[in-house]
Amino acid sequence: DIVMTQSPDSLAVSLGERATINCKCSQSVFNSSKNKNYLNWYQQKAGQPPKLLIFWASTRESGVPDRFTGSGSGTDFTLTISSLQAEDVAVYYCQQYYTTPRTFGQGTKVEIK
Amino acid sequence: QVQLQQWGAGLLKPSETLSLTCAVYGGSFTNYYWSWIRQPPGKGLEWIGEINHSGSTTYNPSLKSRVTISVDTSKNQFSLKLSSVTAADTAVYYCARGLSGTMVRGVMNYWGQGTLVTVSS
Repeated sequence: DIVMTQSPDSLAVSLGERATINCKCSQSVFNSSKNKNYLNWYQQKAGQPPKLLIFWASTRESGVPDRFTGSGSGTDFTLTISSLQAEDVAVYYCQQYYTTPRTFGQGTKVEIK
Repeated sequence: QVQLQQWGAGLLKPSETLSLTCAVYGGSFTNYYWSWIRQPPGKGLEWIGEINHSGSTTYNPSLKSRVTISVDTSKNQFSLKLSSVTAADTAVYYCARGLSGTMVRGVMNYWGQGTLVTVSS
């Protein structure tokens, strides 16, 4: 299985400031023949199912605000929230779909400082 | 608008079989992969497995011996059965839909509301 490790486990950011979450994969999720990284980012608010934010490591799902940006390649990825809003308080998960079983990071909790 | 509505028994005794169903409303049922994911209380997400409209399945090896995912295309529904449950299977179970296409079937953009299943004697 591909092990996904996120850092930090939690972070507190002031409103309007930048939040950065890292995700490291135990093996590359880059498919050279497709030139794609098979990595998603999800947002999960309390009591709700996860919501897809980013796929292909950097493609925003329809309707996702442009303050959410995904970057990285191979084994190291980053989700950046450029200007944290109150509604962004949530747990964020990375997930690989390079192979089965699909695996998730342990989650990063984002709070307001 | 695509909606996934799920249901099933919420309280089980050890050794019983968990059974959940997810109905899909709006959009096509074919050309997609349909997944089950679970989340123990206060913990992270675990992928259980997936199925397509033809009934082709892939399971998480950690659960494979106990899991069956099936599909009923006539009702636009798919189901999860997990046998011989223990307290470790206590979790919120979600159904979800992948994007259309084999390359993106692991990108889950529609989710059910979740069902809390508690295993307790």
